[in-house]
Amino acid sequence: DTAVSQTPKYLVTQMGNDKSIKCEQNLGHDTMYWYKQDSKKFLKIMFSYNNKELIINETVPNRFSPKSPDKAHLNLHINSLELGDSAVYFCASSHSTGTGVYEQYFGPGTRLTVT
Amino acid sequence: GDSVTQMEGPVTLSEEAFLTINCTYTATGYPSLFWYVQYPGEGLQLLLKATKADDKGSNKGFEATYRKETTSFHLEKGSVQVSDSAVYFCALSPRGYNKLIFGAGTRLAVHP
Repeated sequence: DTAVSQTPKYLVTQMGNDKSIKCEQNLGHDTMYWYKQDSKKFLKIMFSYNNKELIINETVPNRFSPKSPDKAHLNLHINSLELGDSAVYFCASSHSTGTGVYEQYFGPGTRLTVT
Repeated sequence: GDSVTQMEGPVTLSEEAFLTINCTYTATGYPSLFWYVQYPGEGLQLLLKATKADDKGSNKGFEATYRKETTSFHLEKGSVQVSDSAVYFCALSPRGYNKLIFGAGTRLAVHP
């Protein structure tokens, strides 16, 4: 009965490689997000999708490309990985209620280590 | 731009002590406010929320009141337990925007 799931949980790769992280939610939400948590635990939004359409892109490098095949899935593809990409990446989802209150539910995170 | 400032940790307490974690925010308009908790090795869980001034959010013995006049949303608990040890994040959601802006997080360690 997992609400927001991510795969893989851990990802270790070398600089220059391309990798993907997958996210799925079974909450019936119409909005999904990617957040990055750095080594100091600071969390920052990267992308937000509503009904498969990109609505927020917080000045993330072009090497990061999100893709939403349907409302329940939001994948993150990263090209030419760099050392600074090492972080924990969290997927989240929410309703867009129209009232401006966006309570978000988070996945367990994917720890990416670039060597 | 909008931002959230939390007290720096770590906060170290003995079991049954009173907890306060300070959070202040800067925002245009009237954001919604949240506290999330992250237990070791896990994702974030919503702890409580408040959507308008003077609202009090509460859950699992934790409380926070949306104070518009002081732009604050301090987290309190009357008697902490060892199981409350975690990182606590204050966050705001600007009205009408699909995103959360987080504070830096405050690590809480509770000892028996």
